Formats: sequence, structure tokens, C-alpha cells
Amino acid sequence: GIQVEQSPPDLILQEGANSTLRCNFSDSVNNLQWFHQNPWGQLINLFYIPSGTKQNGRLSATTVATERYSLLYISSSQTTDSGVYFCAVQGYGNKLVFGAGTILRVKS
Amino acid sequence: SQTIHQWPATLVQPVGSPLSLECTVEGTSNPNLYWYRQAAGRGLQLLFYSVGIGQISSEVPQNLSASRPQDRQFILSSKKLLLSDSGFYLCAWSVRAETQYFGPGTRLTVL
Repeated sequence: GIQVEQSPPDLILQEGANSTLRCNFSDSVNNLQWFHQNPWGQLINLFYIPSGTKQNGRLSATTVATERYSLLYISSSQTTDSGVYFCAVQGYGNKLVFGAGTILRVKS
Repeated sequence: SQTIHQWPATLVQPVGSPLSLECTVEGTSNPNLYWYRQAAGRGLQLLFYSVGIGQISSEVPQNLSASRPQDRQFILSSKKLLLSDSGFYLCAWSVRAETQYFGPGTRLTVL
């Protein structure tokens, strides 16, 4: 099946800094999503982005499907950005495969 | 707008006891429904998914089962819990195979 690798596994930022999270996947995908899991465990949809670029406030994402990677950019980070960021991809069928996540800690 | 509910929010059960976790979706019809488990704070594993009433696909062999008695209701069950069943259980829905939206989760501890 599809393999998903996220990097870095852990990241510590000073408030106000920018960061880039990466997601590599091993096969063609029909669906790619970025999620943020908050400290209470809630998974929050950030982007549905099987290809192209999207922006939402301080967050943006780019997926280059032909090269099998996606990037999540966080600008001017805030303490509320802390948590785990997951990339998940879906090939043919209904199965969404998650990466292991990036744990982000933003210090004030 | 669509909402997804899960209950209970937390559960502590002894080994060997039965389990029933419920998930309901409002504001959409004929959704795809999913059960995931997250162990040790990382990585979600798909357990079951359903594309319609009575249609369940299992992804991982284990002592858990799932049922979909109504269009927007998805139930995760076990006859006898194991210690290894502890974890965070998340239900999700989607329209066809597109964006998945997750519920608040149930934190299960088996003692």
C-alpha cells in the first residue's frame, strides 16, 4: 500500500517564526489532506489538496503530485499552533493512510 | 451544516468486558463512515469503513466489529476487551471518497 513519510518528526519554534512541514508519499493519490490535532485530540481539517496550492490565513499548502510530496507552511507561528500535524493520502478506494505526524511546539 | 458526534468521550473498562462506541452524523445523507484508532499519541489506523447501511469493510483483523444500523449511525463493538484495545477512537465521515471530517473521539482505557 501507499507509504507516507512526514518530516521533521518534532519541531520547536519561537513564537513568530515560520516553518515548513513536508509529506512524501510513495504512489499516485486521489486525495491528500493536512490535519492539525489539538491537545484535546480533535483532528481539525486544514487543507484538502491533492494538487496545487491553497492558502488559509497564516497557513498555506502546496502539493506537487507528479513528484509525490506536499508541503505545509506556517507563517508567524503562535502558541495555539502547537499540536500534531498529520498528512493523510488516499489512493484508489476509500482508505486514508496517515503519516506518523509532526509534533510542533511553539514557545512564547 | 454537518456535525459528527461520538460518545462516550472517555471510558474505562476492565479486560474481558464488552464495548459499544457510537458515532452519529447530522446534516448529510448517505455518508461514508470510518472508525480509526490512534495509539500512543501518533498515527491513525483505519479499522472499519462503510459506504452504506449494513456495508462494512474491515481493514485490520482484531476482536473489534462495526455495524451501521442506520444511514448516519456507526457503532464500534467488542465482546471481550483486551489490554491492547486501549487507545483513542475516532469516527469520521465523508461524501464519497473526498474530504474526511473527524469527530471528537473516545478515549478508551482497558485495565
